Amino acid sequence: AQSVTQLDSHVSVSEGTPVLLRCNYSSSYSPSLFWYVQHPNKGLQLLLKYTSAATLVKGINGFEAEFKKSETSFHLTKPSAHMSDAAEYFCVVSDRGAGNMLTFGGGTRLMVKP
Amino acid sequence: EAGVAQSPRYKIIEKRQSVAFWCNPISGHATLYWYQQILGQGPKLLIQFQNNGVVDDSQLPKDRFSAERLKGVDSTLKIQPAKLEDSAVYLCASSFNRREQYFGPGTRLTVT
Repeated sequence: AQSVTQLDSHVSVSEGTPVLLRCNYSSSYSPSLFWYVQHPNKGLQLLLKYTSAATLVKGINGFEAEFKKSETSFHLTKPSAHMSDAAEYFCVVSDRGAGNMLTFGGGTRLMVKP
Repeated sequence: EAGVAQSPRYKIIEKRQSVAFWCNPISGHATLYWYQQILGQGPKLLIQFQNNGVVDDSQLPKDRFSAERLKGVDSTLKIQPAKLEDSAVYLCASSFNRREQYFGPGTRLTVT
């Protein structure tokens, strides 16, 4: 069975400071991992994905994530937060054992203070 | 390339009424998904179609929810009768390779 735990339901940072959103996963197979962002009243947008290639994955808008198998983690980072980054972020796992079905974490709400 | 389209964007109904949501996936995407996202939670898969066939509907409350994709393109999700706990955002997604999914803007349903 696959599962995802997002360790923080809310994260607050100041504009211009680094962002760290934490995610741990459980998977019986080699997983694919994703981060999606959801702005208010908008659909989910794919930020980045890991599919067994390079463990450091770069995404859109300056975000990146590192796959660490030994820690079963896939934390999302950004060096400098912008006001426009304020949104809900979802860590997602998928593996062939579940027919590539996506399993979402509970989400982390990122707040950016001016 | 046009994205996944959904309508309506918002719907308010009373409990025990019926409601239908429509989704038009990205052209050429054979796989279509419906998710339910309750406030404060991540999306939960309701049903997955491959062309016009159902691949997985194990999480669909079949006593009140139904979905179809008759021609393998557009899809409709129906709730009849609605309950208060059905208040949620209903998201449609499509995929061409069953790995990467593209999401529509969602339909926000409020049941009063």
